[in-house]
Amino acid sequence: QKEVEQDPGPLSVPEGAIVSLNCTYSNSAFQYFMWYRQYSRKGPELLMYTYSSGNKEDGRFTAQVDKSSKYISLFIRDSQPSDSATYLCAMTRNQGGKLIFGQGTELSVKP
Amino acid sequence: DSGVTQTPKHLITATGQRVTLRCSPRSGDLSVYWYQQSLDQGLQFLIQYYNGEERAKGNILERFSAQQFPDLHSELNLSSLELGDSALYFCASSGLANTGELFFGEGSRLTVL
Repeated sequence: QKEVEQDPGPLSVPEGAIVSLNCTYSNSAFQYFMWYRQYSRKGPELLMYTYSSGNKEDGRFTAQVDKSSKYISLFIRDSQPSDSATYLCAMTRNQGGKLIFGQGTELSVKP
Repeated sequence: DSGVTQTPKHLITATGQRVTLRCSPRSGDLSVYWYQQSLDQGLQFLIQYYNGEERAKGNILERFSAQQFPDLHSELNLSSLELGDSALYFCASSGLANTGELFFGEGSRLTVL
């Protein structure tokens, strides 16, 4: 069993839809949780960062962490075609440590 | 542009050969990470260096090795290549105030024929 599980999709939604992306994990020692976005033929870039449990909002993006359930989510409101990319969850036990990534969910937002 | 530079961008070689991938981290970043990305395995952590010293090791094969030089650039050496080594290899770096954010290069795409 992988440490981090993420549905690879692909996920296709119409423009303006609310998108929900999720990951589950098995290691309770993870404390730092991130979402990276990867466009085709590019390296991943950090989208959201959360420490421990709770919610964080940044514009159209909201990240949620539920450590008791070992479950993290990313919500995208009013999705745009420019949001079409692969979204990877990532987590680590401590700052400066190795990041463990989910497999990534491929998202396509249709105009 | 993340500030992390990887060369070469594309590489095609044959089974049994050896290749070297090069990474220049962002200016001032001391940590370098190597990841392998394939369709079926996703982004897999290989190895981390901090200021020239190996810091953490992941699922890196014995046929693979890496090092970080005094000028902080890093190289990943892949030898006795197999078809299954075909993948995207990413280098990432992070700074002293590392909050967990890694800055990724654009990757080196290796194709083994």
